[in-house]
Amino acid sequence: EVQLVESGGGLVQPGRSLRLSCAASGFSIDYYVMHWVRQAPGKGLEWVSGISWNSITITYADSVKGRFTISRDNAKNSLYLQMNNLRVEDTAFYYCAKGWGSGYYYYFDYWGQGSLVTVSS
Amino acid sequence: EIVLTQSPGTLSLSPGERGTLSCRASQSLSSNSLAWYQQKPGQAPRLLIYGASSRATGIPDRFSGSGSGTDFTLTISRLEPEDSAVYYCQQYGRSFTFGGGTKVEIK
Repeated sequence: EVQLVESGGGLVQPGRSLRLSCAASGFSIDYYVMHWVRQAPGKGLEWVSGISWNSITITYADSVKGRFTISRDNAKNSLYLQMNNLRVEDTAFYYCAKGWGSGYYYYFDYWGQGSLVTVSS
Repeated sequence: EIVLTQSPGTLSLSPGERGTLSCRASQSLSSNSLAWYQQKPGQAPRLLIYGASSRATGIPDRFSGSGSGTDFTLTISRLEPEDSAVYYCQQYGRSFTFGGGTKVEIK
């Protein structure tokens, strides 16, 4: 059974940093593009960042470019999101999602349950 | 950036009725690169439809997708109480964007 479990969320002050992790099980992330998607409480979905299986292709939403860094460790079957210079508007549930294939532009077929990041003073 | 506009914002229907949800793209989507997701309160989104009209594994056949270019539709043929959720469309042809969602309420 495919499972994605996010961790690392919490309450952080504006300007500080936080690192999210996503542990995958039931499949090997080696062959797949992986993504982060966020959802502010009561709002819609916003794609944040994606990373190809070999980390060569990495893209970000304009709203986080220059502040967030996505990475992966295929040996640990894990995905990460380093979030620096956090803003109040970054407050959201952050979901880890698996891309369907090895090609970069595909839909997301599995999602984790999310990790809540709250940015507040 | 491709903008997706979903309508209506809320759809309130009775069990057994047909629900029609719309998603309009600001630019034509290559290869019908559009997906639909269902999200229930407190849960992660679940993939329903990909490639505009292909059902994901395990999705009941009362869910169907159609459309091409800039206009896409998700149809729920016979609504059931468990279909109460927010439905999002997503384009994945040029970067990734989501629509604002349609809330389906079952009377």
